[in-house]
Amino acid sequence: DAGVIQSPRHEVTEMGQEVTLRCKPISGHDYLFWYRQTMMRGLELLIYFNNNVPIDDSGMPEDRFSAKMPNASFSTLKIQPSEPRDSAVYFCASSRQYEQYFGPGTRLTVT
Amino acid sequence: QKEVEQDPGPLSVPEGAIVSLNCTYSNSAFQYFMWYRQYSRKGPELLMYTYSSGNKEDGRFTAQVDKSSKYISLFIRDSQPSDSATYLCASQMNSGGYQKVTFGTGTKLQVIP
Repeated sequence: DAGVIQSPRHEVTEMGQEVTLRCKPISGHDYLFWYRQTMMRGLELLIYFNNNVPIDDSGMPEDRFSAKMPNASFSTLKIQPSEPRDSAVYFCASSRQYEQYFGPGTRLTVT
Repeated sequence: QKEVEQDPGPLSVPEGAIVSLNCTYSNSAFQYFMWYRQYSRKGPELLMYTYSSGNKEDGRFTAQVDKSSKYISLFIRDSQPSDSATYLCASQMNSGGYQKVTFGTGTKLQVIP
């Protein structure tokens, strides 16, 4: 199995631009999670899905962030408009039971 | 106050030393406790998983949970340079299918050859 796949691995964009991060979970996993990691705040859960349905989005910082999971093999996290404080590493993870498998992350820099 | 607190380190030890990594948590509803290891520029990977209080051993690694004091520990025996990474403790409630995991900020460990 290829594991959780994320793209792009690195993204540099200017403030105000739209950013879309993509994730392909491990086949057969019915939970998908989006996290953000910074030095100051550590790993924060933004939103998670169960069977493609958003269950808890209380970690989404504000309306500029949105996430979708149109099918079991694909999810997106969109930031519109992006701001410098959104600079972080964004991880996608999937699970079937208790163990979460993380992707390699997308390093986002907003200038 | 964060629900899971962890000293960020960094912690530097010589090869072969015993390493002790610690966390505290505040939510009494947490029942599952985990340690994830994260190498530089990689995603976290599950290292140890325990339910409720007690010890769990896996090779050179021992996870310990004391629910009475809300204290989580990870011990690494005979530490190796390959153990150099950031270690994240995590806790999880059990409420039906609820899956939310709360992570500490991580402790960076460096094992010096």
